[in-house]
Amino acid sequence: LAKTTQPISMDSYEGQEVNITCSHNNIATNDYITWYQQFPSQGPRFIIQGYKTKVTNEVASLFIPADRKSSTLSLPRVSLSDTAVYYCLVGDPFSSNTGKLIFGQGTTLQVKP
Amino acid sequence: EPEVTQTPSHQVTQMGQEVILRCVPISNHLYFYWYRQILGQKVEFLVSFYNNEISEKSEIFDDQFSVERPDGSNFTLKIRSTKLEDSAMYFCASSDLAATSTDTQYFGPGTRLTVL
Repeated sequence: LAKTTQPISMDSYEGQEVNITCSHNNIATNDYITWYQQFPSQGPRFIIQGYKTKVTNEVASLFIPADRKSSTLSLPRVSLSDTAVYYCLVGDPFSSNTGKLIFGQGTTLQVKP
Repeated sequence: EPEVTQTPSHQVTQMGQEVILRCVPISNHLYFYWYRQILGQKVEFLVSFYNNEISEKSEIFDDQFSVERPDGSNFTLKIRSTKLEDSAMYFCASSDLAATSTDTQYFGPGTRLTVL
């Protein structure tokens, strides 16, 4: 999986939009970008995945510029329950690998009232 | 929504003892994984398992570790002789046929292992 860089921590307030950017300068042509969320004392949970442009689901949006060297996870109107660690992972989902996930340190998002 | 379950939620053991951590993956999934997370650190891959054999293991997964799928529903991680540094949260995960997709791994709630 390609190396990723993301901020260690971010603070926000309830109701705000939060954008977490991940850098992946050595992303390969076949790599997809995936974000996981981890609440304290729980296992990681898939949030969203994309290849290019924009992907949106009921939880978040993922913006990927044309060069794909970075991506931004956008959480609209966060609440206290969005306090968690957010991980950006980059890899080829269609390669013949064993599917292991390599997690970095992630971004710890603290939402304040 | 189907989910991965793990038991026990918390296991306390003495150094040198054997522990078995249990997981019930999602029923139609074929790929199984164990990860661990030492307190305050990142989630680390331990082992992947498919078709009743290990697909890949990390350097952490040494001879003290073993995995087994004893029946059609359980997936276990055994640590033969626990060390203090084995204290961590252990997560089981599973995925379906599209295991090479990075979005299809479902994690359990974890077992917190404390070695005294």
